[in-house]
Amino acid sequence: ILNVEQSPQSLHVQEGDSTNFTCSFPSSNFYALHWYRWETAKSPEALFVMTLNGDEKKKGRISATLNTKEGYSYLYIKGSQPEDSATYLCAFISSDSWGKLQFGAGTQVVVTP
Amino acid sequence: EAEVAQSPRYKITEKSQAVAFWCDPISGHATLYWYRQILGQGPELLVQFQDESVVDDSQLPKDRFSAERLKGVDSTLKIQPAELGDSAMYLCASNSGGEQYFGPGTRLTVT
Repeated sequence: ILNVEQSPQSLHVQEGDSTNFTCSFPSSNFYALHWYRWETAKSPEALFVMTLNGDEKKKGRISATLNTKEGYSYLYIKGSQPEDSATYLCAFISSDSWGKLQFGAGTQVVVTP
Repeated sequence: EAEVAQSPRYKITEKSQAVAFWCDPISGHATLYWYRQILGQGPELLVQFQDESVVDDSQLPKDRFSAERLKGVDSTLKIQPAELGDSAMYLCASNSGGEQYFGPGTRLTVT
């Protein structure tokens, strides 16, 4: 993988259900992976910064895992709520990019009551 | 809580016109970024400043886009002349301790 790819592009979740989605990135020259949540008409908000293979981060009902050897990260939302509706962006930083973020296109999550 | 400010939030302009966006980063943040997000794509870095100096503008279409940060604080991104393909969200971010903090963006529509 040469670019950052996110799947699915969008998903609809019933309130109370759990869901997860993927960010794939180049497995070489890994430095860090960022996850952002971007609600409509608001600023993208940082969720996690992940740097080590095997990292697991958690913030409330949202958690993320990282596999740098195979080049993917999962974001999980447990017990989805309408306020979780947002676009979730991941951004990859390679070790030779001087901290430059390379974003995926995002996964748009819509949680319906 | 300190935030990155951007204005305007929305801008509609006709093609061939000039347009400018303003960004005020969080106080004390030396690094400032301008990103462009075209619908269906992820944000793409246009230009990165360290204080008042440009450190990366490799993706900035320099024939029509310009960016400045004269005093190393706030910044302006200009497009002249605007083209239909410039319709996008323009995001500004500033950096502290490796974390980028984003503004709410300017949604540009070129008609």
